Amino acid sequence: GQNIDQPTEMTATEGAIVQINCTYQTSGFNGLFWYQQHAGEAPTFLSYNVLDGLEEKGRFSSFLSRSKGYSYLLLKELQMKDSASYLCAVRDSNYQLIWGAGTKLIIKP
Amino acid sequence: DAEITQSPRHKITETGRQVTLACHQTWNHNNMFWYRQDLGHGLRLIHYSYGVQDTNKGEVSDGYSVSRSNTEDLPLTLESAASSQTSVYFCASSLSLEVDEQYFGPGTRLTVT
Repeated sequence: GQNIDQPTEMTATEGAIVQINCTYQTSGFNGLFWYQQHAGEAPTFLSYNVLDGLEEKGRFSSFLSRSKGYSYLLLKELQMKDSASYLCAVRDSNYQLIWGAGTKLIIKP
Repeated sequence: DAEITQSPRHKITETGRQVTLACHQTWNHNNMFWYRQDLGHGLRLIHYSYGVQDTNKGEVSDGYSVSRSNTEDLPLTLESAASSQTSVYFCASSLSLEVDEQYFGPGTRLTVT
C-alpha cells in the first residue's frame, strides 16, 4: 500500500529552527510537495522537490532523498504566524497526490 | 485575480438528503479535484477530472458523484447523505498534472445529522 508518515505534533520556540520529517512508501514517485494549512483554512503550496537535495525559499527549505524515501521541511527564525499544520504529499506513478495526515506545529513565545 | 471558490462554506443537512457542493475556478485549469479532510487522516481524493466531460473515481468515491460540463466548474453531489460524510471538503485545481502544484479552494464544512 501507499503510506506517508509525519509526526502528529511538534512544538518549537519563536526565533528557533524546526525540522519536520516525512517518510513515504508509494507506487512510483513524481515529486514531493509541502503545504501549509492554518486552522480553518485551505492548504497553500510551500515547496516542491523532485530531485535529491535541498531547495531553499527564504526562511523555508525542503530536502529530499529518493533512495531513502525521506524528506524534511526546515523552518528558520520561527514566527508566531508559522503556527499551522504542515502537509507532506507525494505524487505517485499515476500523478495523483498521496497525502500525509499533517504535522501540527505549535510555536511558543 | 484568478481564484477558486466553493459554496456553501458551511452546510448542515439531514441523513438521506441529496446535497451538492459547488466549486468554481477562474484559473482556466483543466485538472480539478475533490478531497475530504478528516482528523487523523490526510486529504483523501474523492473524484477528479482532467477536462470537460472527463470524470474519474478517487480513493473514497462511494456515495459521491461529479460532472464536468465546462472548464470552470466541478460540482460534487452526495446522492444520499450519511453521517460518515460529515467532513471538510476541499476543491483543488492544477494546470499541469506532471509539474504543477494544486491550488485549493477555501473549503466547505458539511455536517450530516
